[in-house]
Amino acid sequence: EMQLVESGGGLVQPGRSLRLSCAASGFTLEDFAMHWVRQAPGKGLEWVSGITWNSGTMGYADSVKGRFSISRDNAKNSLYLQMNSLRAEDTALYYCAKDMNGDPPYAFNIWGRGTMVTVTS
Amino acid sequence: EIVLTQSPATLSLSPGERATLSCRASQSISRYLAWYQQRPGQAPRLLIYDASNRATGIPARFSGSGSGTDFTLTISSLEPEDFAVYYCQQRSNWPRLTFGGGTKVEIK
Repeated sequence: EMQLVESGGGLVQPGRSLRLSCAASGFTLEDFAMHWVRQAPGKGLEWVSGITWNSGTMGYADSVKGRFSISRDNAKNSLYLQMNSLRAEDTALYYCAKDMNGDPPYAFNIWGRGTMVTVTS
Repeated sequence: EIVLTQSPATLSLSPGERATLSCRASQSISRYLAWYQQRPGQAPRLLIYDASNRATGIPARFSGSGSGTDFTLTISSLEPEDFAVYYCQQRSNWPRLTFGGGTKVEIK
C-alpha cells in the first residue's frame, strides 16, 4: 500500500524555523514529483511547494517564496520542507502529496494525513 | 498567478440528485485541471485529472468536463458519502500551482 507519513510539525514562535519531513512507503519516490499542500483551520487548500522527480524544478506559492525551501532525498524515500521566518499566517495542517507524474506534475494522487504547524508567541 | 473561482460556495441537495460544480480560471489553462474531494477530518482524494480523466478507483458517477477557462464536475446521483467539499486545481502554470476556494456539497 502506498503511504505518506509527515512529521516535524509543532508549536513555534514567529520568526523561528521548522523542518517538515515526509516518509514514503509502498512506492519508489524517485519516479514522481512531490508537493506540500497546507490547510489553515477551517479554510481551503493552498498549494505551498512542489519538486520534480530529479529536483530539476522547484516551485513555491508567492506566500512562502524566499522563506520556505523544498528538497528530497530519493535514496531515503523522503521529502522535506524547510520553513524559515515563520509567521502566524503559516499556521496550518501541512500535507505531503505524491504526484501522478515525474515531470511535469499532473495531479496529487496520494496524500498523507498531515502534520500541524502552529505559529504563535 | 492563475486564480480559480469555484461556484457555488455551497450546494444543498438531496441524495439521488445531480450535482453540478463549476470552476472558472482567470486565464486559459487548456485541460490542465484536477478535481479533489475532501470529507471532514480526512485528507483530500483525487477524483479527476486533466479535466475529464477519472482517477483510479473513482466511481463512474463522477465526471469532469471543460477546457480553456470553464470547467464542470458532475456527480450524476449523489450518494451519502459524496457530501463533502470539492476543490479544483490547475497545473497549467507550473511551477506555480493553485487551488480553487472549494464548493461544499451539503445535505438539503
